[in-house]
Amino acid sequence: SQKIEQNSEALNIQEGKTATLTCNYTNYSPAYLQWYRQDPGRGPVFLLLIRENEKEKRKERLKVTFDTTLKQSLFHITASQPADSATYLCALYNTNAGKSTFGDGTTLTVKP
Amino acid sequence: ETGVTQTPRHLVMGMTNKKSLKCEQHLGHNAMYWYKQSAKKPLELMFVYNFKEQTENNSVPSRFSPECPNSSHLFLHLHTLQPEDSALYLCASSQQSSGVANEKLFFGSGTQLSVL
Repeated sequence: SQKIEQNSEALNIQEGKTATLTCNYTNYSPAYLQWYRQDPGRGPVFLLLIRENEKEKRKERLKVTFDTTLKQSLFHITASQPADSATYLCALYNTNAGKSTFGDGTTLTVKP
Repeated sequence: ETGVTQTPRHLVMGMTNKKSLKCEQHLGHNAMYWYKQSAKKPLELMFVYNFKEQTENNSVPSRFSPECPNSSHLFLHLHTLQPEDSALYLCASSQQSSGVANEKLFFGSGTQLSVL
């Protein structure tokens, strides 16, 4: 069966360090993968999209990698700040199904 | 602001009540979605509308009834809900282009629903 797993439910790091979040999937052939940020009581906010033929994407302090052989995406936040504390969701777009499926999310806490 | 507005933000209803959730998008998008987010569970897609036509009904019970009168407005009509339907209901929109996969979703803040 198809499955999306995000590395851990919670991740705690010190301010200034790099946060690395993982999204693993099985039995998917996603056309692209997206990362969203969700704050408590709010809807998810789009951050980055990476296509199956792209290895890496960057946006300011954010970097996403996509390895279709390993079936894994890594999401990095460099020089993390307490304001980066939130839940981060990965979503895979399945061309055959014509829709995205979301992972459970990882809650990141950046401590001052 | 994401350009997607949902009302009400919070709703408490009894199992015999009838209520409606409203979503409006100001982005000129042609696709709108309803998602359900329960505690400790991933986002679940409920309904998809493309150009006002329903293109997805993800095995949602009939006590949830969507309505899309135009490409900017989306409703979710609720009746005889169960306590397990308590969740955050999120509306989203996107711009679907023919032949191009670009499902960047813009979400509203959601309606936190409690069914007593």
